[in-house]
Amino acid sequence: SQQGEEDPQALSIQEGENATMNCSYKTSINNLQWYRQNSGRGLVHLILIRSNEREKHSGRLRVTLDTSKKSSSLLITASRAADTASYFCATDDTGGFKTIFGAGTRLFVKA
Amino acid sequence: DGGITQSPKYLFRKEGQNVTLSCEQNLNHDAMYWYRQDPGQGLRLIYYSQIVNDFQKGDIAEGYSVSREKKESFPLTVTSAQKNPTAFYLCASSMLLRGGYEQYFGPGTRLTVT
Repeated sequence: SQQGEEDPQALSIQEGENATMNCSYKTSINNLQWYRQNSGRGLVHLILIRSNEREKHSGRLRVTLDTSKKSSSLLITASRAADTASYFCATDDTGGFKTIFGAGTRLFVKA
Repeated sequence: DGGITQSPKYLFRKEGQNVTLSCEQNLNHDAMYWYRQDPGQGLRLIYYSQIVNDFQKGDIAEGYSVSREKKESFPLTVTSAQKNPTAFYLCASSMLLRGGYEQYFGPGTRLTVT
């Protein structure tokens, strides 16, 4: 079964607005990652946050992790049309050897 | 120019035929993975390998087979036993087989079986 589940399934915003996507998971994790996928392409790694970290930044991306709530959020600030893509969270399985991907949030940024 | 390549980008086959998807990496990564992605869905793990000549079944291995004879290569065969083979197939690699390591993805192969 899926470990991480993203919310919302789809999000449509105007260019310049912020986009927030959430990920919830079921069991304890060591790491949580976010990936991006443009239509018909492979996934690209965005950011990794470890279980002992609460927040991480990378350019216009901000990721938070709340292990007590078993949830993470990805914030994209000042969105651009080029940010249109699907965003996936990925967590370890309980053994820590496999990465399990959620179903993704489809983000549409209108110019 | 380091990376992971998949070929072909599009593949068409008739039902009942086996087909092999290629995946090559020059990142010197130990671990390699095959995922299947259906429209609007997430990724499901088919097979993974942490070292040459060793591989493990993922969540949906039935109807698929793999080999890992070289560190750089991890081909996937979709056999006629796979009931719904039409999908987007993604190959990935990571430095080690651990959850905390970034996975690098190839561009994918879209397989259509009619």
